[in-house]
Amino acid sequence: AQRVTQPEKLLSVFKGAPVELKCNYSYSGSPELFWYVQYSRQRLQLLLRHISRESIKGFTADLNKGETSFHLKKPFAQEEDSAMYYCALSGISDYKLSFGAGTTVTVRA
Amino acid sequence: GAGVSQSPRYKVAKRGQDVALRCDPISGHVSLFWYQQALGQGPEFLTYFQNEAQLDKSGLPSDRFFAERPEGSVSTLKIQRTQQEDSAVYLCASSSRTGVNEQFFGPGTRLTVL
Repeated sequence: AQRVTQPEKLLSVFKGAPVELKCNYSYSGSPELFWYVQYSRQRLQLLLRHISRESIKGFTADLNKGETSFHLKKPFAQEEDSAMYYCALSGISDYKLSFGAGTTVTVRA
Repeated sequence: GAGVSQSPRYKVAKRGQDVALRCDPISGHVSLFWYQQALGQGPEFLTYFQNEAQLDKSGLPSDRFFAERPEGSVSTLKIQRTQQEDSAVYLCASSSRTGVNEQFFGPGTRLTVL
């Protein structure tokens, strides 16, 4: 069975401070990992996926297969980063997404 | 072009009523997914269509839930004899190809069963 765990329900940081959202997963195979974001009054949208190895809006995430983690990081948080963040997993030959419970990030001025 | 749209945006049903939720995917998108999101939880997979074929319905919680996509575009999720535990946001997503690709989500339908 595949499972995604986001241990933090809420995360509050000051503007300009680093922010890290934790994500751990369990999957018997080679997973593909994603971070989705939902800003206030907007729909769920893709932030980044591990195979792209991109930095989006200053965020990066590294897949650590040894620790089965895919933590999301940004060195300097901005107020516009305040949102709900979901870590999600899919199998390489699969298509459906398994989501974590989400982390609400609040960036304070 | 327009993104994924869903209707209605809000639905209140009395326990025991049947409801139908509609999803209009992005034009030309082959793959269509339905997810259920309970309060305070992440979305959970319900079912998947590739064109008009329903390839996976393993996430449907009971036989009261039924989904269709007869012409490979618009999809309808039907819930018969609604129960209070069906109260949730129902999300539809579409993807341009099969396999693991970016899924584009609709705004969701919030269903409240009284």
